[in-house]
Amino acid sequence: QSVLTQPPSVSGAPGQRVTISCTGSSSNIGAGYDVHWYQQLPGTAPKVLLYGNTNRPSGVPDRFSGSQSGTSASLAISGLQAEDEADYYCQSYDSSLSGFVFGTGTKVTVL
Amino acid sequence: QVQLQESGPGLVKPSETLSLICSVSGYSISSGYYWGWIRQPPGKGLEWIGSIYFSGSTYYNPSLQSRVTISVDTSKNQFSLKLSSVTAADTAVYYCARSRRLGSGSNYFGDWGQGTLVIASS
Repeated sequence: QSVLTQPPSVSGAPGQRVTISCTGSSSNIGAGYDVHWYQQLPGTAPKVLLYGNTNRPSGVPDRFSGSQSGTSASLAISGLQAEDEADYYCQSYDSSLSGFVFGTGTKVTVL
Repeated sequence: QVQLQESGPGLVKPSETLSLICSVSGYSISSGYYWGWIRQPPGKGLEWIGSIYFSGSTYYNPSLQSRVTISVDTSKNQFSLKLSSVTAADTAVYYCARSRRLGSGSNYFGDWGQGTLVIASS
């Protein structure tokens, strides 16, 4: 059971903008711990998409952006493309658990 | 560019110990960073198992702490995972990863191995 909750699925047409929420609590996101986002394409290992809430590693398109407010964080994908169809996970640190926690995961479908 | 590769038995009997090794190339473990293990049961989400600093300091997921041991062998540039008393619930793809520490103190997993499936079954 994860302490970070994400919607199971989101979908959008090519070119649209979708957002994925990551809801935590006062012991993780609400405590100010950074949120990081990963993309997992089918059959592959996760890849970091955003780190430190809003930072993109080299090679990640600027269509991907992140934000954080209170006990939640969000990942936005603008200009949705077929290649964005994947599972997405948020990750943070939880002081109550004294460890890293992942979100429940969200499957993005491009219609 | 760092590369990580998991290796170990793909089948473990219930009640026995799961043992995996992560071989690192392109970077010397003794130079720094945290190194971790994450698992993913078939069709499910990611679960952090534990991490180790190059110096040997470890920290584990509290839900697994009583069964987990992570160690590092800098001479072989490898780190390993041992999970004791496995059950069917431990069936998963196991990933090793290098985590990067930000100035804020948070860590994220920036580099991952390809993962290895371990099935706990008799």
